[in-house]
Order: sequence, then C-alpha cells, then structure tokens
Amino acid sequence: KAGVTQTPRYLIKTRGQQVTLSCSPISGHRSVSWYQQTPGQGLQFLFEYFSETQRNKGNFPGRFSGRQFSNSRSEMNVSTLELGDSALYLCASSLGGTSGITGELFFGEGSRLTVL
Amino acid sequence: QKEVEQNSGPLSVPEGAIASLNCTYSDRGSQSFFWYRQYSGKSPELIMFIYSNGDKEDGRFTAQLNKASQYVSLLIRDSQPSDSATYLCAVNMFDDFGNEKLTFGTGTRLTIIP
Repeated sequence: KAGVTQTPRYLIKTRGQQVTLSCSPISGHRSVSWYQQTPGQGLQFLFEYFSETQRNKGNFPGRFSGRQFSNSRSEMNVSTLELGDSALYLCASSLGGTSGITGELFFGEGSRLTVL
Repeated sequence: QKEVEQNSGPLSVPEGAIASLNCTYSDRGSQSFFWYRQYSGKSPELIMFIYSNGDKEDGRFTAQLNKASQYVSLLIRDSQPSDSATYLCAVNMFDDFGNEKLTFGTGTRLTIIP
C-alpha cells in the first residue's frame, strides 16, 4: 500500500514569507503528526491531528499551525518565516486511537525548507 | 521539560561485533518505547518497540527496558556495514492534560567499520 506522501519535497523561501506543506497519510490511518528536524535539535514535535482535531501541540510559536481534513490529509503552515525555520519537516501517520498516539509511526520523506 | 537523552556519538563498532545504544527518559509514566533507524538523507523507520520490562529480541536486534531505572537500550549483534545509520530512541510522554506525544532523542550516529 502507498506510504506517507509529503509535498513539496524541497522549497526555498525568503524571510517574512509563508509556506504550506502537505501530507497524505497511509490509507486508513487517522492520526497525523508533524515534526521539525534540525541537526542541532533533532526531531521536535510540532502537533498531532486525529479525526480533524488537534490533540496535542509542541512548544512552537503560533506562527506554526496545521489542520487535518476529513480524508485525514493534513497541512501545516508557517507564517512570517525566519531563518531559523530552515529544517526538514516530517509528517508521520499512524492508526491512532482515542487515547492518543498508539503504535508505529510511519514517516514521509519530508519537506526540506530553506529560508533565505 | 520531559526529555529523552541519547549519546550523540559517533559510535564506531567493528563489523561482526555487538553495537550497544543507550537511552534514558525522564517521564516515569511512559509506557511505550521505540527505536527508529534513520539513514543519511532518509526518513526514520521503526525497527523495534518494547512495552514491558526485560528483553525483546527480533533477529539481530534486542531491545532492553528497565522502567525502574528509566533506561532503554538497543543491541545489534553481528553488526553489518548496512547498520551504519543514526538510531533514534522515542518514548511516549504525557503532558499535564493527559495528551500523548512521541518524544525523540537527538539520536546516536553508529558507524560499522568493515
């Protein structure tokens, strides 16, 4: 079955712009989590969506937002981009459950954002 | 802040030897523990999970969990050059509202020397 698909794979933006990243989870998976990965900080949790509801949020400023659609596809948006937002943004899907993230996370290939 | 700690390495191990990767976590309420492998330029993939104290073996991989010591480890026997990667320890953690998230360590870079 198809894996997690993220688009775009690479993008370059300038400071102050905004960006929207897309994630299509594995069919049947209802939970989508977003992570930011940088060499210094590793994988940092952004937020998790389950059945169109944000269930948990990491310690990122309000410039980072997301949503999930009825077909479980998810988007994340970063407004007013800063140089420090340059990173690999990874989306991960899982079956999820009513009590939280359960089971294995399947990661997409990521969207590599460069902010100039 | 609830954390997952790993030695960043690099850890160099001769081919055929045992590689030992360690991880400690801060949340005593954590119940699920995962090891992900990430090759350079690729996304993480799950290789092991463990929920109960003790050892869990899967092929050349053994995960070990000690909840009392808040310690989880991954042993790779008969290490192969293809095992060279960054290994990420991940632990489920709960905030004050009971919301769960999977928290990752910064990873240990493992190099298997032929």
